[in-house]
Amino acid sequence: AQSVAQPEDQVNVAEGNPLTVKCTYSVSGNPYLFWYVQYPNRGLQFLLKYITGDNLVKGSYGFEAEFNKSQTSFHLKKPSALVSDSALYFCAVSQPDSWGKLQFGAGTQVVVTP
Amino acid sequence: GAVVSQHPSWVICKSGTSVKIECRSLDFQATTMFWYRQFPKQSLMLMATSNEGSKATYEQGVEKDKFLINHASLTLSTLTVTSAHPEDSSFYICSVYGPGQENSPLHFGNGTRLTVT
Repeated sequence: AQSVAQPEDQVNVAEGNPLTVKCTYSVSGNPYLFWYVQYPNRGLQFLLKYITGDNLVKGSYGFEAEFNKSQTSFHLKKPSALVSDSALYFCAVSQPDSWGKLQFGAGTQVVVTP
Repeated sequence: GAVVSQHPSWVICKSGTSVKIECRSLDFQATTMFWYRQFPKQSLMLMATSNEGSKATYEQGVEKDKFLINHASLTLSTLTVTSAHPEDSSFYICSVYGPGQENSPLHFGNGTRLTVT
């Protein structure tokens, strides 16, 4: 069985400071990993994904994530957070033979203060 | 522009009535659509996988007779919550997938907030 863990319910950061949102996974084989962001009462917006290749993935809005196979982690990072980055962030995983069928982490609320 | 259109964005209905939610793929032919459910302050849980022209595949614990899914065309899937009860109040979100979209990011609708009174 596969699982995704986001250990922090909420992350607080001051505007301009680095932002990190943690994600670890437990799946067999070589999973596909994703980050999505959700604003209140809205659907999900895609940020980035890891399929294969370079472990450092760059995505939308200045976000990036590093795939670490040995630590089974896929942490989301942004060098300098903006107030507008305040939202709910989800890490998700799928298996190569089940593209589209995502299992989501519990989500991490990011609060960026001015 | 939007790739997925979900309608309505919010709906309030009385207990015992049925509600239909539409998910439309605007940019490509969606052979597969996924329906997720999100309770307040919780994650998204996959409810069912909808394949065009065939019966939907439901996840364990999801009542197929309560959550009717129809995927009659390559651009439209509907989720009908039958005989709705207050515990069905939730945020329902669809995502779409189709040929040529392999390894592309999944596109999600903006969700439907259902409140059953």
